[in-house]
Amino acid sequence: DAGVIQSPRHEVTEMGQEVTLRCKPISGHNSLFWYRQTMMRGLELLIYFNNNVPIDDSGMPEDRFSAKMPNASFSTLKIQPSEPRDSAVYFCASRRFDGPSTDTQYFGPGTRLTVL
Amino acid sequence: GNSVTQMEGPVTLSEEAFLTINCTYTATGYPSLFWYVQYPGEGLQLLLKATKADDKGSNKGFEATYRKETTSFHLEKGSVQVSDSAVYFCALLMDSNYQLIWGAGTKLIIKP
Repeated sequence: DAGVIQSPRHEVTEMGQEVTLRCKPISGHNSLFWYRQTMMRGLELLIYFNNNVPIDDSGMPEDRFSAKMPNASFSTLKIQPSEPRDSAVYFCASRRFDGPSTDTQYFGPGTRLTVL
Repeated sequence: GNSVTQMEGPVTLSEEAFLTINCTYTATGYPSLFWYVQYPGEGLQLLLKATKADDKGSNKGFEATYRKETTSFHLEKGSVQVSDSAVYFCALLMDSNYQLIWGAGTKLIIKP
């Protein structure tokens, strides 16, 4: 299996620009997570989808952030407008959840976002 | 609330040394416990897990035992290699939940 695929791997943009991060989960997985990792705050869960439906978006920092999952094989995280404090590594993770023995999340390689 | 506490890093060891990274947790029920590893510039990878008390997770020479009496899940390896240098995260997941509760991570540096 190819694992979770994220693109781009690196993104450098200027303040005020729109940024779109993309994720392809592992085939057959029914849950998808977006995380943000910074030195100051560690790993933060931004949003959780189950069967393509957003279940918990309480971690989304503010209205500038939005996430979609139009089908089981694709998700986007959009920041508009971007700000320097959004600079971080953004991870996508997926899992196939059907009980405690299958609760493992598999992470993508991440997108390193730098907002100038 | 539920929480995970890891020993602060960085932990610096020489190659072939014995490794212990401490992890303790607070939980209202009976969580599953995980160790994830993050190599430089990469995403997190599951290293091992345990789903109930006294279970031992193991992988790549690493081991951790789910100790309910001490609410701990310490990571151990008998002989570390330079390639083990990474950040190690302990995490817990409550039954029927989706949100992993993460420790702060422990950076491990192995010197040749």
